[in-house]
Amino acid sequence: DGGITQSPKYLFRKEGQNVTLSCEQNLNHDAMYWYRQDPGQGLRLIYYSQIVNDFQKGDIAEGYSVSREKKESFPLTVTSAQKNPTAFYLCASSISGLIGRGREETQYFGPGTRLLVL
Amino acid sequence: GEDVEQSLFLSVREGDSSVINCTYTDSSSTYLYWYKQEPGAGLQLLTYIFSNMDMKQDQRLTVLLNKKDKHLSLRIADTQTGDSAIYFCAEGNYGGSQGNLIFGKGTKLSVKP
Repeated sequence: DGGITQSPKYLFRKEGQNVTLSCEQNLNHDAMYWYRQDPGQGLRLIYYSQIVNDFQKGDIAEGYSVSREKKESFPLTVTSAQKNPTAFYLCASSISGLIGRGREETQYFGPGTRLLVL
Repeated sequence: GEDVEQSLFLSVREGDSSVINCTYTDSSSTYLYWYKQEPGAGLQLLTYIFSNMDMKQDQRLTVLLNKKDKHLSLRIADTQTGDSAIYFCAEGNYGGSQGNLIFGKGTKLSVKP
C-alpha cells in the first residue's frame, strides 16, 4: 500500500535535547512538508521541500532543521533552540510543489507524531 | 496577506445536515479543499472544488463556492456520529511561489446521538 508513515507516534524530549521525527513516503512524490499543529491554531508550516537536496523555510522554522537526501524521506529535527516544542507534528507530501492544480496536486498527510517535553 | 477563516465549533444532532463555512482572501486561489481530521490522526482529503465551479456533490457531501464573496461551505447530509471530527478548509494557488496550501484553523464538528 502506498502512503506516508511517521514515527514514532509519541516522542518525549528532555531539556536541551535534540530529537528527530521521521517521515517516509512511497508515493513517489517530489514535494514534502512539515506542519506543526497546536490546539485552536490550525496548521502552521515549518519547512517544505519541492525536490531532493533542496528545502525552504516555512512560517515557523526557528528551532527546527530538516534534510532531504532521499526522495522518500524528510526527517525533522526539533533542536534545543525550540523553547516550546510540545505539539502535534504532521508530515505531508504532494506530487509536485505546484499546489492548486487539482486533487492530484494536493497534499496527503501522515498520521502525525505527538511530541511531549519531560 | 492570505487568510482562511472558519468558525471553531459546530454541534448538530445525528441525522441532521451539517454546514461548515469558510471564507478566504486570495482571489487567485485555483482550488479549494476540505480535509477531515479525526482525534489523534492526520488529515484526510475529503473533497475539493475548482474555482470556476459553483457546486460539487460527492455522496453525502456538497461543496458550495461563492467566488464573488470568497465563501466556501461544506454540507454533510444525514450527519452520523462517525462524522465527528475537525474539518479544515484550505486554499491552493496554482503557480504560487511556495506551492503551499493555506489552512483555516479548523471547525470541530460534534454530532449528538
